[in-house]
Amino acid sequence: AQSVAQPEDQVNVAEGNPLTVKCTYSVSGNPYLFWYVQYPNRGLQFLLKYITGDNLVKGSYGFEAEFNKSQTSFHLKKPSALVSDSALYFCAVKGSWGKLQFGAGTQVVVTP
Amino acid sequence: KAGVTQTPRYLIKTRGQQVTLSCSPISGHRSVSWYQQTPGQGLQFLFEYFSETQRNKGNFPGRFSGRQFSNSRSEMNVSTLELGDSALYLCASSSGRGGQDTGELFFGEGSRLTVL
Repeated sequence: AQSVAQPEDQVNVAEGNPLTVKCTYSVSGNPYLFWYVQYPNRGLQFLLKYITGDNLVKGSYGFEAEFNKSQTSFHLKKPSALVSDSALYFCAVKGSWGKLQFGAGTQVVVTP
Repeated sequence: KAGVTQTPRYLIKTRGQQVTLSCSPISGHRSVSWYQQTPGQGLQFLFEYFSETQRNKGNFPGRFSGRQFSNSRSEMNVSTLELGDSALYLCASSSGRGGQDTGELFFGEGSRLTVL
């Protein structure tokens, strides 16, 4: 069985500070890992994905994520957060079974 | 090009009624997936269609059904509505052979269903 966990319901960060949103996963075989963002009353938007290759993946809006196989993690990072980054962030994993499974989501609040 | 379009955006129904939601994928996309989003359960996978065939199905009761047409547009239906069906229903399309193959799903804005 595959699963994905986002251990933090909410992350609070001041504007300009680094932002990290945590994600760990469990999957059979090689994982496909994704991050999506959801703004209020909107659908989800794709941020980035890891399929294979370099462990550091760069995505939209200055976000990046680091794949760590030994820790089965795929944390989302941004060096300098903006107030406009306040949103709900979802980590997702796809294993050999083929279904994309989402984490519970982490609410990011960036204060001015 | 146009994104994923879902209609209606908002609707209110009463218990026992049924509802049909529509999704038009991005032009050229052949895979459509449906998700239910609630504050308590998060994002729950409903089903996925590819070329008019259901490829994957989540753990929902038979009251939840869907279909896909030859033009890739999809509909989902919920019969005998319950209060717990109140949720944001999201449709996502993909250009891959299967909606889950690449994982890069393109989501619509959702249909917010309220059951009274």
